[in-house]
Amino acid sequence: EAGVVQSPRYKIIEKKQPVAFWCNPISGHNTLYWYLQNLGQGPELLIRYENEEAVDDSQLPKDRFSAERLKGVDSTLKIQPAELGDSAVYLCASSLSSGTQYFGPGTRLTVL
Amino acid sequence: EDQVTQSPEALRLQEGESSSLNCSYTVSGLRGLFWYRQDPGKGPEFLFTLYSAGEEKEKERLKATLTKKESFLHITAPKPEDSATYLCAVQSTSGTYKYIFGTGTRLKVLA
Repeated sequence: EAGVVQSPRYKIIEKKQPVAFWCNPISGHNTLYWYLQNLGQGPELLIRYENEEAVDDSQLPKDRFSAERLKGVDSTLKIQPAELGDSAVYLCASSLSSGTQYFGPGTRLTVL
Repeated sequence: EDQVTQSPEALRLQEGESSSLNCSYTVSGLRGLFWYRQDPGKGPEFLFTLYSAGEEKEKERLKATLTKKESFLHITAPKPEDSATYLCAVQSTSGTYKYIFGTGTRLKVLA
């Protein structure tokens, strides 16, 4: 069974440029999460979807970050404009309802 | 406020030298405690879920235990391939069931 797929794996951009990350969850998983992980830290939740609905986006910086999960399957996380402090690993995870979360390989973003 | 603290931050072991990693937590109501392994450049890999005090889970050289305040990940006779960062997370019964992660323990097993 395929795991959580994320792309791209690496992205380098100049500050103020836009960037987007894509995630395809495990087949059948209705809940999808986006996390941010800084070096030496644990993942921190940005947004959680149940099907198409964002049920927890309290930690998402809405002035520059946006996310969507059309059709309740794959999802896109966007940053516009990117800042130097956004450099981190962006992880996507999925689960069946509120069960165990399974993570993708992450996208490492570097903002110059 | 829900909180997770892991110790030690880093641990170096000789191959075969058993040890334990600690995860202390405070949560209003525990829905589950999760252990993950993370290799450099990869996402966290699920290891165990524990739900109630007294519960234990084993997988190869790893054994996870849970009390009302903390969890231990015991590593018996570790091998170099066990080198990784081990993350602990708790899920509360309140709110939106999000995971609260600790900062992890970086384990290095020397041959």
